[in-house]
Amino acid sequence: DTEVTQTPKHLVMGMTNKKSLKCEQHMGHRAMYWYKQKAKKPPELMFVYSYEKLSINESVPSRFSPECPNSSLLNLHLHALQPEDSALYLCASSHAAGVAYNEQFFGPGTRLTVL
Amino acid sequence: SQQGEEDPQALSIQEGENATMNCSYKTSINNLQWYRQNSGRGLVHLILIRSNEREKHSGRLRVTLDTSKKSSSLLITASRAADTASYFCAPVGSSNTGKLIFGQGTTLQVKP
Repeated sequence: DTEVTQTPKHLVMGMTNKKSLKCEQHMGHRAMYWYKQKAKKPPELMFVYSYEKLSINESVPSRFSPECPNSSLLNLHLHALQPEDSALYLCASSHAAGVAYNEQFFGPGTRLTVL
Repeated sequence: SQQGEEDPQALSIQEGENATMNCSYKTSINNLQWYRQNSGRGLVHLILIRSNEREKHSGRLRVTLDTSKKSSSLLITASRAADTASYFCAPVGSSNTGKLIFGQGTTLQVKP
């Protein structure tokens, strides 16, 4: 299985809601990533997990809370989001972080709309 | 990690023509990666070229790397409508933390 899956594909939430995005891979990768992509902009890194530990947090607001329950799963918990948080959220994985020749495999993304 | 800058920002060609896009970066690299993104979808890794390589091929893709000029180019030969997408380069430095920083990308439109 050479695929990164993300659920849900689309999510609409209010500013007071709590929701979660889920990402899964079964390639044995030990690094997983969350990116945020606004329309017509490149993806921007939010978090990196390496061996199930948070290794990079790109100064992301606390209303985004990542979680890595095991080496195959990555969650992004959302709470009290703002309309400007509406974006495509991409998950990626790679063999390891901090290793050369480290191509990343991306999921299809979750399109999030905050009302 | 560092950001690549792609050029041109947009490119429109006819099916069957070749498409060339360029990437420039600022500091020394360990490798440089190219990714493609179809509209509203995830990115797909296309090719990785190491700093000691000058050219690499993968199907209809040809990537060159000139470390003296700190630049890379991606050539797509015999383009197809399905090649319509945004293309991003990601230079990876020696102190790789796993972080990829994408430039604005080149948006390629291939007209049938």
